[in-house]
Amino acid sequence: QVQLVQSGAEVKKPGASVKVSCKASGYIFTSYDINWVRQATGQGLEWMGWMNPNSGNTGFAQKFQGRLTMTRSTSISTAYMELSSLRSEDTAVYYCARWRTAGRHSFDYWGQGTLVTVSS
Amino acid sequence: DIQMTQSPSSVSASVGDRVTITCRASQDISSWLAWYQQKPGKAPNLLIYVASILQGGVPSRFSGSGSGTDFTLTISSLQPEDFATYYCQQANSFPFTFGQGTRLEIK
Repeated sequence: QVQLVQSGAEVKKPGASVKVSCKASGYIFTSYDINWVRQATGQGLEWMGWMNPNSGNTGFAQKFQGRLTMTRSTSISTAYMELSSLRSEDTAVYYCARWRTAGRHSFDYWGQGTLVTVSS
Repeated sequence: DIQMTQSPSSVSASVGDRVTITCRASQDISSWLAWYQQKPGKAPNLLIYVASILQGGVPSRFSGSGSGTDFTLTISSLQPEDFATYYCQQANSFPFTFGQGTRLEIK
């Protein structure tokens, strides 16, 4: 069965960087884009960006340009999201999600979420 | 960016009620709309894609309709497990955007 398993919670100081992993299983990793979505406590869902695991191509929401990086390791079917220059407003649960195309555009599988806390 | 506006922001209903949530896009997105259900402490779960197609395993009491800019999610007969927050998401163009969510509460 398809699974996306994320790394554990992180606590970071302002100005630091965080790297969250998302390990895929149950499907061909390079066949589906991985997107990242975050959610601050009690707030809605905010799309951050996408990565094509086959090519490594990425695209980011404007607000994250310059401090968001997405990479992957195809040998271990794992995607990574790194956010730098952290500030308190980046405190949120970060989700990876598989993006399905072929006329079925939607996020059909999600990771369990990774809480990132930014605090001095 | 395409703005997605849901209404209502919250609704109280009873088991067995019929509930409709609306989602409006700031520009034409054809049928590229998905609906998700999220329960506290959990990741969102896909309910409907391409505006009206039920995701596998989702109960048939959920249905979606609409195209262009106006969309609806209907739950025909609420069950206890349906009390959650619902989000629409436009899948037409980057950046993907979500509605602000509709919290469905027990009356």
